[in-house]
Amino acid sequence: DAKTTQPTSMDCAEGRAANLPCNHSTISGNEYVYWYRQIHSQGPQYIIHGLKNNETNEMASLIITEDRKSSTLILPHATLRDTAVYYCIVGGSNTGNQFYFGTGTSLTVIP
Amino acid sequence: KAGVTQTPRYLIKTRGQQVTLSCSPISGHRSVSWYQQTPGQGLQFLFEYFSETQRNKGNFPGRFSGRQFSNSRSEMNVSTLELGDSALYLCASSNGQTLRAGNTIYFGEGSWLTVV
Repeated sequence: DAKTTQPTSMDCAEGRAANLPCNHSTISGNEYVYWYRQIHSQGPQYIIHGLKNNETNEMASLIITEDRKSSTLILPHATLRDTAVYYCIVGGSNTGNQFYFGTGTSLTVIP
Repeated sequence: KAGVTQTPRYLIKTRGQQVTLSCSPISGHRSVSWYQQTPGQGLQFLFEYFSETQRNKGNFPGRFSGRQFSNSRSEMNVSTLELGDSALYLCASSNGQTLRAGNTIYFGEGSWLTVV
């Protein structure tokens, strides 16, 4: 699976949009971009995933560039409960269902 | 619909002992995978099972093993425990056969293992 690069940490003011970038320049055509987050001591929580088109659900929006080499997760109105480590993962090059996690971005939402 | 359930949530073992962790996937999911999370190594893939067969395995020693039952429930076992095995062990289940179809993976809350 293609590797991803994310900033180590980010801050965001409460109520503002949080934009978390991810680079995946070696992504191949059949690989999806997934976003998960992990609040301390809990299991990773699925947020959203996509292949080519932008995606939106009740939690977030995923913007994938046309060349698919990078993406941005947008939390439209960040709250204190959004403070977590956010993982961008590329998956689907191999058979099976497994992820290879990077180090993620530690997002802190500031009151 | 119940999520991925892992038991026990917390346990303490002594070096040299063995431990078995259990995972019940989301109803209808046939794929179960296991991950180890430590502060130093982050989240690492252990192995994945689909329909009782191990399909993929991460880079872990043979002391780490697992199995999946006909009802899709899974167990992982670690023998001859070492201090470095102290970690959060996460189980995840998926509703499809492969990520190539854009399946989603759902994680449990994990089992915290402390080896003393």
